Amino acid sequence: GNSVTQMEGPVTLSEEAFLTINCTYTATGYPSLFWYVQYPGEGLQLLLKATKADDKGSNKGFEATYRKETTSFHLEKGSVQVSDSAVYFCALQTGANNLFFGTGTRLTVIP
Amino acid sequence: EAGVVQSPRYKIIEKKQPVAFWCNPISGHNTLYWYLQNLGQGPELLIRYENEEAVDDSQLPKDRFSAERLKGVDSTLKIQPAELGDSAVYLCASSLVRGGNEQFFGPGTRLTVL
Repeated sequence: GNSVTQMEGPVTLSEEAFLTINCTYTATGYPSLFWYVQYPGEGLQLLLKATKADDKGSNKGFEATYRKETTSFHLEKGSVQVSDSAVYFCALQTGANNLFFGTGTRLTVIP
Repeated sequence: EAGVVQSPRYKIIEKKQPVAFWCNPISGHNTLYWYLQNLGQGPELLIRYENEEAVDDSQLPKDRFSAERLKGVDSTLKIQPAELGDSAVYLCASSLVRGGNEQFFGPGTRLTVL
């Protein structure tokens, strides 16, 4: 079956700290992988994606690399800002277009 | 371009009452999704429509949940009767075509069943 395991939160970091949120997956076939972000009071937004092995998705300073050998898609950012405080969801998509989400990781960045 | 619109944003009802949620997808998006998001969890698919056809409703509890997408545009999700365990956020999303295109999410409807 399809599933996503995410690092449990919450995560609290100081501004300009390095961020890593771990994500591993189990999937049938060759899924696409995503990171979605949910800011307070808003809907889910696509942050970045990767559609095949070794692809790197990047956006707003965030990066994640599709690692087929370790079935992972860890999210990283070199220097977080207060405005990055949100809940981050790792997800995979199968050929049927259905998304399977992890449980989410709440990030709080303090000045 | 307007995003996915959902209403109401919040709903409080007593158990055993009916409730309905409405979703207007992004114009031109033929695929529409309803997700359930429990507190502290990721969204889980309830039903997926391609145009007006429900192509995946395997996770929809059909004893109390129903959905429709008339004319392949707006959609309504209904619960009758609601139970305490239905308290959650109900998310609607849409995408342009099946298979690999980005899903755009609405802000959700937060349901509280008392």
